[in-house]
Amino acid sequence: QVQMQESGPGLVKPSETLSLTCTVSGASIGGSRFYWGWIRQPPGKGLEWIGSGHESGSTYYNPSLKSRVTISVDTSKNQFSLNLASVTAGDTALYFCARGISTPYATGKWGQGTLVTVSS
Amino acid sequence: EVVMTQSPGTLSSSPGERATLSCRASQSVSNNYLAWFQQKPGQAPRLLIYGASNRDVGIPDRFSGSGSGTDFTLTISRLEPEDFAVYYCQQYGDSPGTFGQGTKLEIK
Repeated sequence: QVQMQESGPGLVKPSETLSLTCTVSGASIGGSRFYWGWIRQPPGKGLEWIGSGHESGSTYYNPSLKSRVTISVDTSKNQFSLNLASVTAGDTALYFCARGISTPYATGKWGQGTLVTVSS
Repeated sequence: EVVMTQSPGTLSSSPGERATLSCRASQSVSNNYLAWFQQKPGQAPRLLIYGASNRDVGIPDRFSGSGSGTDFTLTISRLEPEDFAVYYCQQYGDSPGTFGQGTKLEIK
């Protein structure tokens, strides 16, 4: 059964880059069926789809974040990553990685999430 | 983008009762690519329904999804104590994927 685990710094300074990795176990990240994505949830608020990547190298981003986001998929490590540049306090959130199928915007199976706080 | 609106914001019900949650899209959801998630405090959302009406593996049959186009419904036929949580709908047919604001199902 596939499991996903997010990792990365819990505290990032304003204007710096937030970098997270999602390690996938129990399944290969390769294979054309799946998209590997990121979603975030500010404390006490709703969910926002950030974007996704595919092993082919294709990426799909939320237009609201597109200028600051990079998602990459590393099949050799069975991991995928999120970089969010020029962060502000508004980027403080619980960040989830997820696997989707059917479309790049699907989010069927989720990791447990990791809290990232932006503060000096 | 497709705006998803859920109603009610909070639903107070008792175990054993039937619960009906609604999700409306600002435009037709492509291929009825509509999912429902359940989220409990401190946990990740769990997929319940995909493609508007298909239960994910291991989801009890008291959960059912229906609807098409712009109007969708999640029905829980007989509430169990573990069903009290926040429920989100998400459309994944168009970019960007968008979620509703959630319905909190609380014990009356």
